[in-house]
Amino acid sequence: SQTIHQWPATLVQPVGSPLSLECTVEGTSNPNLYWYRQAAGRGLQLLFYSVGIGQISSEVPQNLSASRPQDRQFILSSKKLLLSDSGFYLCAWSPSRGLKQETQYFGPGTRLLVL
Amino acid sequence: RKEVEQDPGPFNVPEGATVAFNCTYSNSASQSFFWYRQDCRKEPKLLMSVYSSGNEDGRFTAQLNRASQYISLLIRDSKLSDSATYLCVVNPQAGNNRKLIWGLGTSLAVNP
Repeated sequence: SQTIHQWPATLVQPVGSPLSLECTVEGTSNPNLYWYRQAAGRGLQLLFYSVGIGQISSEVPQNLSASRPQDRQFILSSKKLLLSDSGFYLCAWSPSRGLKQETQYFGPGTRLLVL
Repeated sequence: RKEVEQDPGPFNVPEGATVAFNCTYSNSASQSFFWYRQDCRKEPKLLMSVYSSGNEDGRFTAQLNRASQYISLLIRDSKLSDSATYLCVVNPQAGNNRKLIWGLGTSLAVNP
């Protein structure tokens, strides 16, 4: 079966510091991968998605970036965090083919607080 | 009109009650729909997919009304463990799941 991991689970960072969040998927190959942010009182906001190694699409211009160095690894980064970057960061995957392509499965998330 | 709109609640119901949530969507070309549940401070988890007129899974029934552009979720015989936020999700493009539109969720509290 497929599993998705994220770390760290929680993070407190000062404004202006860098960020690196990691997501890995097991039990599937060539998944579509997604980074979302969920801020308090707001819906899930798609930040990035990837259909393959090195292929990243950005949905929202901001000070975040994403990379996919391996098939099942997705990294969210920032060079300098802003207060507004605080939130719950969720990584998700979906099959790249088959009947369930439209179904996304989420990792446990990283709760980020920028002070 | 918001792309996906849900009544935020909270819905407070006793154990054993039947409760229904509605979700309206603005894009009439939307092809597929999902209900996720999200527990406090946890990730969303898929509850049901809705591709045609409806879907049933045990105590949960989802229905789609394309003419009125809404989907509903019915929970029968509510359990304490059903307490969560229920997220309505719409895929506006057939064959492309990259830009799902997420509602803000409906909060359900099932009381003993």
